[in-house]
Amino acid sequence: QQQVRQSPQSLTVWEGETAILNCSYEDSTFDYFPWYWQFPRESPALLIAIRPVSNKKEDGRFTIFFNKREKKLSLHITDSQPGDSATYFCAASLYNQGKLIFGQGTKLSIKP
Amino acid sequence: DAGVTQTPRHEVAEKGQTIILKCEPVSGHNDLFWYRQTKIQGLELLSYFRSKSLMEDGGAFKDRFKAEMLNSSFSTLKIQPTEPKDSAVYLCASSFQGNTEVFFGKGTRLTVV
Repeated sequence: QQQVRQSPQSLTVWEGETAILNCSYEDSTFDYFPWYWQFPRESPALLIAIRPVSNKKEDGRFTIFFNKREKKLSLHITDSQPGDSATYFCAASLYNQGKLIFGQGTKLSIKP
Repeated sequence: DAGVTQTPRHEVAEKGQTIILKCEPVSGHNDLFWYRQTKIQGLELLSYFRSKSLMEDGGAFKDRFKAEMLNSSFSTLKIQPTEPKDSAVYLCASSFQGNTEVFFGKGTRLTVV
């Protein structure tokens, strides 16, 4: 049972373009949605996170758009750079529970 | 400023052996997690501790996997007996408490032959 789903599995965009990574979830009680990124031979690290009180969270070139009604969110990376090439994981957790449920990840490649 | 420390970084075991992986969480963190990462299954939660109490032990991993946390600064994951399908990267992670940033260790790459 996959509680958090991501699409696409892999994505290639040109440098300077906007990459859009999608995520959906099943449990409407999830209330914390972090995105982690992972570079080859490294461990996942927190990139940006959102709580359902907001429908948008921005941090530089990275923006999360959140749709509570449809149980969907997306990560937009504007002006993509080759250094953004990584695997991106969408995750979800319940209030005050540290346990994160991860999606399968989207492998993003940025072509120079 | 020490992050999450895992040892060993690499482990090669023969099928049927017992192996123990070690983890030191970030000082002061209350939550500790063990995850397994493979290309096919992604990041799977094995165990979750809060203030040293086992909150979840990852259902499907119960029979041969046992995580313990004897004190707030040290945890172990025992796999007994190992099988080739256990080959994966085992990640330990910690956080202060729910809904705060989770910090991952560098992982232990286990190969079972």
